[in-house]
Amino acid sequence: GESVGLHLPTLSVQEGDNSIINCAYSNSASDYFIWYKQESGKGPQFIIDIRSNMDKRQGQRVTVLLNKTVKHLSLQIAATQPGDSAVYFCAETRNYGNQFYFGTGTSLTVIP
Amino acid sequence: DVKVTQSSRYLVKRTGEKVFLECVQDMDHENMFWYRQDPGLGLRLIYFSYDVKMKEKGDIPEGYSVSREKKERFSLILESASTNQTSMYLCASSSYLWEGPGELFFGEGSRLTVL
Repeated sequence: GESVGLHLPTLSVQEGDNSIINCAYSNSASDYFIWYKQESGKGPQFIIDIRSNMDKRQGQRVTVLLNKTVKHLSLQIAATQPGDSAVYFCAETRNYGNQFYFGTGTSLTVIP
Repeated sequence: DVKVTQSSRYLVKRTGEKVFLECVQDMDHENMFWYRQDPGLGLRLIYFSYDVKMKEKGDIPEGYSVSREKKERFSLILESASTNQTSMYLCASSSYLWEGPGELFFGEGSRLTVL
């Protein structure tokens, strides 16, 4: 399954399928990006990050892709599990500053 | 295990009451932030601090103030709570690394209801 971030705020996938969650950013000065997972009633949890000098980074079952040409960031979750159901959002910093800017998030539902 | 701890998970206050939300981090981070999170609006920055006794306004500071007397503690104060301040409040902290900003760590959130 695939989402278009801000324009499709929900995504449903079958357990075991791969998920792709997208985030578009508009500022060419954006230089550091984080993906967060937030479960209902809890604080956001760090999933994976990437700096602007990279275009891909992999973690356990997750991959982040950064396309600076079109200002697009994606999170790929392999073999999606019911425990992956949550809201996912991206965050960015600009000009190597400390302030973070957040997307509104995509709600992922995993269907058993 | 690194931690950002928010003192209250749930609070119910009355209009006009003074409200204190406390946040403590144990990572020796320079930067601390207060956000509020509302459905459909994402996270909005209220105030942030880069050092002890320093504070900067974020995007929505009206009706709030902050205090940072010690490096590990950042408090959010609602001088006179109003119903439109009913929200989830999230505290976060970060450090600055040689390659740029570091990861932003969040607390579990404080859900405030103002009646």
